[in-house]
Amino acid sequence: EVQLVESGGGLVQPGRSLTLSCAASGFTFNDYAMHWVRQAPGKDLEWVSGISWNSGNIGYADSVKGRFTISRDNAGNSLFLQMNSLKTEDTAFYYCARGDAGSYLGDNWFDPWGQGTLVTVSS
Amino acid sequence: DIVMTQSPLSLPVTPGEPASISCRSSQSLLHNNGYNYLNWYLQKPGQSPQLLIYLGFTRASGVPDRFSGSGSGTDFTLKISRVEAEDVGVYFCMQALQSFTFGPGTKVEIK
Repeated sequence: EVQLVESGGGLVQPGRSLTLSCAASGFTFNDYAMHWVRQAPGKDLEWVSGISWNSGNIGYADSVKGRFTISRDNAGNSLFLQMNSLKTEDTAFYYCARGDAGSYLGDNWFDPWGQGTLVTVSS
Repeated sequence: DIVMTQSPLSLPVTPGEPASISCRSSQSLLHNNGYNYLNWYLQKPGQSPQLLIYLGFTRASGVPDRFSGSGSGTDFTLKISRVEAEDVGVYFCMQALQSFTFGPGTKVEIK
């Protein structure tokens, strides 16, 4: 069974950092691009970042560029999102999701998604 | 950025009856390869989004055939031929032609 399990969420103060992890299983992790998508309360789903199978192509939403860093460990079947300089507007459920291709630039859909991890940025 | 809109935002349905959700994009999602880069997701209560339809009309693995996707360019429709109780949740459309953006969601609930 293909499975994605996020962890690392929690309550953090504005300006601080947090790193999310996503453990993948049930498929050949290094065949696929991976993504982070977030869902803030009362707001639309927002694509946050994507990374190609070999980390050769990486992209970020403008809202997080310069503050968030996506990375992956293919040997450990894991995806990461390092979040620095967190703002209250970063409060959201964060989902990792598998793309359908090797390069995130060529991805056409996301499937499956993990169950999500909640990040709350508040003083 | 491509902006996605959906209507209605709330849809009360009767089990056994059909239902339809509209999704519109601010730019055409038709690629020169002939595919529309438009996907549909269902987020059931307490769960993460699950893929229903990709590239405009192809059902994802395991999705019942009562779900169908249609449309091209900027106008798309998700239809449920006969709604079942397990179909409640929020339906999102998502474009993948230029980066990735999502519609606001349509909440489907039983009358």
